[in-house]
Amino acid sequence: QKEVEQDPGPLSVPEGAIVSLNCTYSNSAFQYFMWYRQYSRKGPELLMYTYSSGNKEDGRFTAQVDKSSKYISLFIRDSQPSDSATYLCAMTRGKLIFGQGTELSVKP
Amino acid sequence: GAVVSQHPSWVICKSGTSVKIECRSLDFQATTMFWYRQFPKQSLMLMATSNEGSKATYEQGVEKDKFLINHASLTLSTLTVTSAHPEDSSFYICSARVGVEVRSDTQYFGPGTRLTVL
Repeated sequence: QKEVEQDPGPLSVPEGAIVSLNCTYSNSAFQYFMWYRQYSRKGPELLMYTYSSGNKEDGRFTAQVDKSSKYISLFIRDSQPSDSATYLCAMTRGKLIFGQGTELSVKP
Repeated sequence: GAVVSQHPSWVICKSGTSVKIECRSLDFQATTMFWYRQFPKQSLMLMATSNEGSKATYEQGVEKDKFLINHASLTLSTLTVTSAHPEDSSFYICSARVGVEVRSDTQYFGPGTRLTVL
């Protein structure tokens, strides 16, 4: 079993939709949780960074952490075609462990 | 701020040759840099952790004699793929840790280098 599980998709939504991306993890030692966005043939870009359980909002993006369920989510409101990318969850336990990434396509 | 560059962005080489990839932190000093490998449609896999002035720490299964890492300054780390073979073809990405907060491990990534070995 992988330490971090993420549905690879692909996920296709119409422009303006609310997108929900999720990861589960098995190791309760993970302390910090991140979401990265990666465009094709580019390096990952840090989007959100959270520590405690609860929600953190930044513009159209909301990161949610539920440590009791070992579950994290990223919500994108009013999705745009420019949001089309692969979204990677990541978490730390002394080193950064990534999920497989979910490929998102937002259609105009 | 926190910009990381890589050079080259794309390299094609013949089997048996060596290739050097540079990773630079442009606007900050990076005590620790990391090298990742990513195959198509797969996630990033950590290859090694590079600390300035000391030997790199390699992840299990990564051949240190094949993937030579040098972190000679606080802004530059290099990865040399020696005697490259077609199975080494991949997307290599470096990252740098900002500051000394190890627990949070906030890393900023370079744009990646696509290596194709013929």
